[in-house]
Amino acid sequence: GAVVSQHPSRVICKSGTSVKIECRSLDFQATTMFWYRQFPKQSLMLMATSNEGSKATYEQGVEKDKFLINHASLTLSTLTVTSAHPEDSSFYICSARDSRDSGRVSTDTQYFGPGTRLTVL
Amino acid sequence: AQTVTQSQPEMSVQEAETVTLSCTYDTSENNYYLFWYKQPPSRQMILVIRQEAYKQQNATENRFSVNFQKAAKSFSLKISDSQLGDTAMYFCAWGGSSNTGKLIFGQGTTLQVKP
Repeated sequence: GAVVSQHPSRVICKSGTSVKIECRSLDFQATTMFWYRQFPKQSLMLMATSNEGSKATYEQGVEKDKFLINHASLTLSTLTVTSAHPEDSSFYICSARDSRDSGRVSTDTQYFGPGTRLTVL
Repeated sequence: AQTVTQSQPEMSVQEAETVTLSCTYDTSENNYYLFWYKQPPSRQMILVIRQEAYKQQNATENRFSVNFQKAAKSFSLKISDSQLGDTAMYFCAWGGSSNTGKLIFGQGTTLQVKP
């Protein structure tokens, strides 16, 4: 259990275009999902917290108009990079917070998607 | 503000041997969670082990165990009988008892298991 998918795994686009990345929790409902950005050999940088049915909360320095987040259902959050530029090229990872009270699964744990490598030409 | 520090950027260990990765953190909260995540070359983040701060007993998962020292704010990961598949970047993370669910990550330790 606790599987998170992310699509696409890799995308190449031209400068100025928009790219949408999907994050799905496959076997649990996630009221909260998170979006991270990671540069090579570095730690994860939290971009925003996505809450189902409400506006996302962005971290300081992250442009909310550039990185649009929609959390339309309990199993799906999307990140749209608008008017992408080469400096937006990066590895983007989503995670879903599993808050179920289960004797089998640890509570309040984040499970991660496999990531999306974005290259903007 | 909470911080997580991993002071070992890179480590190596011989296959079948034991290695310990260090992690310290700073927080004023009393109830929180600590995690170790593994990120192999595929870059998929994998949960290795989790510890609730209110539990005194150290968490274990097969070959992975932690040494949780709450007063010292230390949370090290011990990998026993290291295997080639353990080669990865390891991240220590702190999660608060508040409802935001955010995790604070350390800088990461790259572990190389040598045959």
